[in-house]
Amino acid sequence: DAKTTQPPSMDCAEGRAANLPCNHSTISGNEYVYWYRQIHSQGPQYIIHGLKNNETNEMASLIITEDRKSSTLILPHATLRDTAVYYCIVRSLQSNAGNNRKLIWGLGTSLAVNP
Amino acid sequence: DTGVSQDPRHKITKRGQNVTFRCDPISEHNRLYWYRQTLGQGPEFLTYFQNEAQLEKSRLLSDRFSAERPKGSFSTLEIQRTEQGDSAMYLCASSLVGSDTQYFGPGTRLTVL
Repeated sequence: DAKTTQPPSMDCAEGRAANLPCNHSTISGNEYVYWYRQIHSQGPQYIIHGLKNNETNEMASLIITEDRKSSTLILPHATLRDTAVYYCIVRSLQSNAGNNRKLIWGLGTSLAVNP
Repeated sequence: DTGVSQDPRHKITKRGQNVTFRCDPISEHNRLYWYRQTLGQGPEFLTYFQNEAQLEKSRLLSDRFSAERPKGSFSTLEIQRTEQGDSAMYLCASSLVGSDTQYFGPGTRLTVL
């Protein structure tokens, strides 16, 4: 699975959009981009994933560049409850073969939403 | 609420004692994963099951660690002869075969004194 690079920390004002970047320059054609977040002392929470098209759900939007070497997670109207560590993970969606199903996590981006 | 539950939420033990943690996945999920997370780090993979079969184990999973999923539903993670370095958050996740979306439980925080 390709490696990802994220800034260690970011700040955002409450009510504004939070744009979290992720570089994955070695991504291959069959690899998806996944985003999770982890609020302090809780388990990670799935946010969104995508392959090449932009994706949107009730939590966030995912913008993937045309060359797929980077992506941005957008929280359109950040609230104080969005303060968390955000992880960008790249992995292939393999067949149902059993091995190598683990997620490989980096250090993520610590997002602080300020009042 | 992701639907994955873990018990206990917190465990304090003395060095050398054995501890066991339980994970109940989302009911229809046939894959179950264990991760460990230390302060300031991302989760590290330990092992995973597909139904009752343990299909992959990390080198982090020393001989003191054992995981089971006897009926393909809940899973237990046992640590024997705990050491202070075992202090961490132990996370369980589950997913469906064919999906890489893993849903995590709240974790069990282990403190070894």
